[in-house]
Amino acid sequence: AQKITQTQPGMFVQEKEAVTLDCTYDTSDQSYGLFWYKQPSSGEMIFLIYQGSYDEQNATEGRYSLNFQKARKSANLVISASQLGDSAMYFCAMREGPRGSTLGRLYFGRGTQLTVWP
Amino acid sequence: DAGITQSPRHKVTETGTPVTLRCHQTENHRYMYWYRQDPGHGLRLIHYSYGVKDTDKGEVSDGYSVSRSKTEDFLLTLESATSSQTSVYFCAISTTSGGFNEQFFGPGTRLTVL
Repeated sequence: AQKITQTQPGMFVQEKEAVTLDCTYDTSDQSYGLFWYKQPSSGEMIFLIYQGSYDEQNATEGRYSLNFQKARKSANLVISASQLGDSAMYFCAMREGPRGSTLGRLYFGRGTQLTVWP
Repeated sequence: DAGITQSPRHKVTETGTPVTLRCHQTENHRYMYWYRQDPGHGLRLIHYSYGVKDTDKGEVSDGYSVSRSKTEDFLLTLESATSSQTSVYFCAISTTSGGFNEQFFGPGTRLTVL
């Protein structure tokens, strides 16, 4: 079974609008972490935002926020005020194990290709 | 960028030849990972290391071996490359900056096996 599911292969959004990228996860661990990475066409993997399973508030980093719904096992990325430079592939990932555990490998979803149009 | 470099950045090779990819880090991180990225699959873990000479398999380890004789270097070897190993390979390190283990990725190596 997939540990991370991203159901949107592609999304389109107009510049300055907000967009939500979906991510659901599957784990039986009580302690885990959720990550979002951005991969522009140049290919590098850029860390965007992190949410711990015990974090009570949704994570935010500038224009990025993570809509964490633990009971539904979803961790959607919200990008506010989209910019042309946000066009990229976005990956959701999960680490199983306690916060600060550096052994934890990441499980990745298949990604969502976001296109921002003027 | 956590001081991670990968070499080579691009390689074209023929089926049946051995290939070694190198990941080098400058910040003495203990945990290192090799992932491969393929269209429709995201990134999948090949092998990882939790210290010098300590390595373990990931979910797609068949056909790959790794070695870590020094903290700073993590080598990925394809003993006999096959066309199914054409992929982009990413090395990553894990750090506890900010209180959680963020993984930083190297720039990637694009490998083509003809």
